[in-house]
Amino acid sequence: SQQGEEDPQALSIQEGENATMNCSYKTSINNLQWYRQNSGRGLVHLILIRSNEREKHSGRLRVTLDTSKKSSSLLITASRAADTASYFCATVETSGSRLTFGEGTQLTVNP
Amino acid sequence: KAGVTQTPRYLIKTRGQQVTLSCSPISGHRSVSWYQQTPGQGLQFLFEYFSETQRNKGNFPGRFSGRQFSNSRSEMNVSTLELGDSALYLCASSDPSRTSGREQYFGPGTRLTVT
Repeated sequence: SQQGEEDPQALSIQEGENATMNCSYKTSINNLQWYRQNSGRGLVHLILIRSNEREKHSGRLRVTLDTSKKSSSLLITASRAADTASYFCATVETSGSRLTFGEGTQLTVNP
Repeated sequence: KAGVTQTPRYLIKTRGQQVTLSCSPISGHRSVSWYQQTPGQGLQFLFEYFSETQRNKGNFPGRFSGRQFSNSRSEMNVSTLELGDSALYLCASSDPSRTSGREQYFGPGTRLTVT
């Protein structure tokens, strides 16, 4: 079963614009991770944020985590056509190690 | 290091048959997890193996099973295939020497079609 929801389900923007994706989850977590998937291929790990962290940066990526609201957001700045992919959040619960994925956001960046 | 490899990449089977999928983790990674991805159910956890032992199991019927070998390579088996088993099966490896909640490295997946 899915941990929660991602919003929006689909997002279409122009190159150079910023893209923001949101993720909500239901249980207490140890950490939250974001992954990217290109067209039915394997997932690529982007960034991990621990439950005691509020914000993390990696290159053009910025992730925030609000454990009181059980939500996270992924911001991709200055998007490129190559960023076109599906983006998934995944949580790891405090008592385990399995990843529980959200439904994903399909991002399309138009050149 | 070489990435996670999965074989075969594509597979077509008939209802009632069984199938075995293989996964070779990144060198040094002793934890291997399997996930099923379908358009309807999304990404769902199947099971995790560590040092040849199943450490965690998702909510799938007993037709789904797996194992891990001493070299950390893993296989998963699905018996008595059903049409609903058509999916992308993803294997992921991780380094247990890191603190818990470590990131996972995914293979390209095996696309299984059941007809």
